[in-house]
Amino acid sequence: GQQVMQIPQYQHVQEGEDFTTYCNSSTTLSNIQWYKQRPGGHPVFLIQLVKSGEVKKQKRLTFQFGEAKKNSSLHITATQTTDVGTYFCAGDPIEAAGNKLTFGGGTRVLVKP
Amino acid sequence: DAGVIQSPRHEVTEMGQEVTLRCKPISGHDYLFWYRQTMMRGLELLIYFNNNVPIDDSGMPEDRFSAKMPNASFSTLKIQPSEPRDSAVYFCASSTDRVLEPQHFGDGTRLSIL
Repeated sequence: GQQVMQIPQYQHVQEGEDFTTYCNSSTTLSNIQWYKQRPGGHPVFLIQLVKSGEVKKQKRLTFQFGEAKKNSSLHITATQTTDVGTYFCAGDPIEAAGNKLTFGGGTRVLVKP
Repeated sequence: DAGVIQSPRHEVTEMGQEVTLRCKPISGHDYLFWYRQTMMRGLELLIYFNNNVPIDDSGMPEDRFSAKMPNASFSTLKIQPSEPRDSAVYFCASSTDRVLEPQHFGDGTRLSIL
């Protein structure tokens, strides 16, 4: 079945540094969403990408959807302690009409001050 | 505006007991989703409803799990009988679309089965 994989599972980042987390699908996606879950909290929607090659920015966060619509990335610049949490991507496979969003396993981000 | 409301926030019960989790979606949202989150398995979709009708329950682990949505403002997830391996955080989420709109999650119910 369709799978969405995220790497890395864990990311230890020094405050002020940049990092990137990746989301890969075994099938082409119609769209991809990113969520952030703070420790002890619930997933909160960040952004949605729909178009091939689309790039969107939210302050220090840059989201990209691959040309083949099978992968996506989240790049965070100048990491802050407020960036701590788990970042999930979720995708909808094009070939499976009537399907639902499949969440990746998440990248857990820890920030060293 | 009120978000998705779940109750209880925490539940601790003994193995074999019936557990009922409750969810009130955001008003006007036609889709309601139940998820289970564990360290081992991550965030799993259990079942989702559209206009109160269950559409896909393929994620429900086994017959011990059941979900209902008697009206647009209320849904329950029931586990009977409960087992220690059911311990997890259960989230309810609602949306205006199956995949093309954001899902709004409740605070979750942290369930511990002893």
